[in-house]
Amino acid sequence: KAGVTQTPRYLIKTRGQQVTLSCSPISGHRSVSWYQQTPGQGLQFLFEYFSETQRNKGNFPGRFSGRQFSNSRSEMNVSTLELGDSALYLCASSFQGVYEQYFGPGTRLTVT
Amino acid sequence: TQLLEQSPQFLSIQEGENLTVYCNSSSVFSSLQWYRQEPGEGPVLLVTVVTGGEVKKLKRLTFQFGDARKDSSLHITAAQPGDTGLYLCAGALGSGYSTLTFGKGTMLLVSP
Repeated sequence: KAGVTQTPRYLIKTRGQQVTLSCSPISGHRSVSWYQQTPGQGLQFLFEYFSETQRNKGNFPGRFSGRQFSNSRSEMNVSTLELGDSALYLCASSFQGVYEQYFGPGTRLTVT
Repeated sequence: TQLLEQSPQFLSIQEGENLTVYCNSSSVFSSLQWYRQEPGEGPVLLVTVVTGGEVKKLKRLTFQFGDARKDSSLHITAAQPGDTGLYLCAGALGSGYSTLTFGKGTMLLVSP
């Protein structure tokens, strides 16, 4: 089976811009979770989607949003980028919930 | 306050040495997972433990879940350079639809 793929792998944006990141889960996996990883805070949960519905949401501002399509592919969007949004954004898929999560390689976002 | 505290934060050892990494919390977890993350990659699931007192072995790695399901440890025997990476523990507070909370990780460097 192909693993979780994320595009793009690297991204440089300017403060105030918006960005969309994409995640394709493992075939058959219906749950997609997004995480932000920074050296200071570690891995922090953003949100989880299951069958196109947001099932859980972390403690992030409304500038962070996401969606899931009928084929389970997911996108996350960050509007009005801030310097502090620079991070590695990781997507993880699982068959149903939090168990056995499989991570993609991440998208490295740099905001200048 | 971090829900899951990992210690030590950084560990540098020589090949062949043994080591133990700890993951502690005041909360009870329904399950706990250990991941290893290498530079430029997403975390890779090593093991999931769900029963208090459970011990799982994966070659030279031994994982233990505390009796009260509040803590866990990872012991590596005869470490090798290929063990180098960031070791993350992650706990699920509920079951089914709950989310994962990650510790900040232990960075392990094994020198030849």
